[in-house]
Amino acid sequence: EVQLVESGGDLVQPGRSLRLSCAASGFTFSDYWMTWVRQSPGKGLEWVANIRPDGSGTYYVDSVKGRFTISRDNAKNSLYLQLNSLRAEDTAVYYCARGGNAFDEAQYWGQGTLVTVS
Amino acid sequence: TVVTQEPSLTVSPGGTVTLTCASSTGSVTGGHHPNWFQQKPGQAPRALIYSTSNKESWTPARFSGFLLGDKAALTLSGVQPEDEAEYFCLLYCGDDFWVFGGGTKLTVL
Repeated sequence: EVQLVESGGDLVQPGRSLRLSCAASGFTFSDYWMTWVRQSPGKGLEWVANIRPDGSGTYYVDSVKGRFTISRDNAKNSLYLQLNSLRAEDTAVYYCARGGNAFDEAQYWGQGTLVTVS
Repeated sequence: TVVTQEPSLTVSPGGTVTLTCASSTGSVTGGHHPNWFQQKPGQAPRALIYSTSNKESWTPARFSGFLLGDKAALTLSGVQPEDEAEYFCLLYCGDDFWVFGGGTKLTVL
């Protein structure tokens, strides 16, 4: 069974940093694209970033470029999102998601971790 | 790129409803590989459709995805009460960049 468990969410002050983690199990982690998606309270979903299976390519939404870094450790079956220079508008539940077949961008989802910037 | 969906729709149980997904940059095509997700209150989203019309293994047969004119579309046929949820589309906008639509709140009444 595919499982994705996010952690690391917290209440932080503007300008500070935070690192989110996503522990994956139930599949061969190194075979799949991984994605971070966020959802501000009461709002819609926002695609944040994704990363190739071997970590050789990373891609970001413009609003986080230069502040957030997605990475992965295939030996540890883990995905990460480093959040720097946090702003109030970064307040959201952050979900990690696993890709599926080609262009199946977010087939499986974790339950999310809440980041509050205040 | 801004991706637009109907903010809300209402359908009767057993009825049929079509949700659409438009792009501010022009027509939605197969190259946008539309994905559709369902989200119920307090839950993580659940994938339903990818690459326009491909269903996940768990997607009920009453859900179907397709292109409708210059938009992506998701039709629910024979709507069930448990289909009440928010539905989001996701479009591939090139250079490995994706954009979600604002979501459609579907009420089954």
